Amino acid sequence: DIVMTQTPRSLPVTPGEPASVSCRSSQSLYHSDDGNTYLDWYVHKPGQSPQVLIHTLSSRASGVPDRFSGSGSGTDFTLKISRVEADDVGIYYCMQRLEFPLTFGGGTKVEIK
Amino acid sequence: EAQLEESGGGPVQPGESLRLSCAASGFGVINYWMYWFRQRAGRGLEWVARVNYNGAITTYADSVKGRFTIARDNAKNTVFLEMNSLTVEDTAVYYCAKERGYSSVARSDLLDVWGRGTLVAVST
Repeated sequence: DIVMTQTPRSLPVTPGEPASVSCRSSQSLYHSDDGNTYLDWYVHKPGQSPQVLIHTLSSRASGVPDRFSGSGSGTDFTLKISRVEADDVGIYYCMQRLEFPLTFGGGTKVEIK
Repeated sequence: EAQLEESGGGPVQPGESLRLSCAASGFGVINYWMYWFRQRAGRGLEWVARVNYNGAITTYADSVKGRFTIARDNAKNTVFLEMNSLTVEDTAVYYCAKERGYSSVARSDLLDVWGRGTLVAVST
């Protein structure tokens, strides 16, 4: 199974400031046949359903503000929030879907200072 | 608006069975692969199972293979998770999710709609 490792586990942030979450996979998520990197980012906000933010490394999901961006390659990935808002609190997960079983990072809890 | 609502969770004893349901609204499940995930207390999300459009293809996590069965009733727009031989390790909030539409046997598409989850508590 592909092991996903996220850091940090907790991220206190100041509204208006940037924030960054890192994710590392135990093997490359790049698929040479189609050139895609199968790494997604999800957020689980309190009292809500999980929702997709970024898919296939760097594509923002429908309706996701451009404050959110995904980057990286191979085995190292980053989710960046350019300016954190109070509504961004929640647990952020990276997930690989290169192969089954689908696996998630342990999550990063973003909270407002 | 596409929505999913899970039901059927509750307290059970080890060794017992439970059937979860996931009712869809705002879209037809017949057009999508459907998934179940779970989140155990203090842990991250975990994929459990998936089923293709007509129920002919299913895939399971090793931790539930042989005990859990995913199925669907497209006429009722509902997906199910039959859970047998439950253990305390199966205690979790269970979520169903819908893929965007481009999944294949080999690969999952992104999950673009999730339910709010239903709690399964296995204890003596």
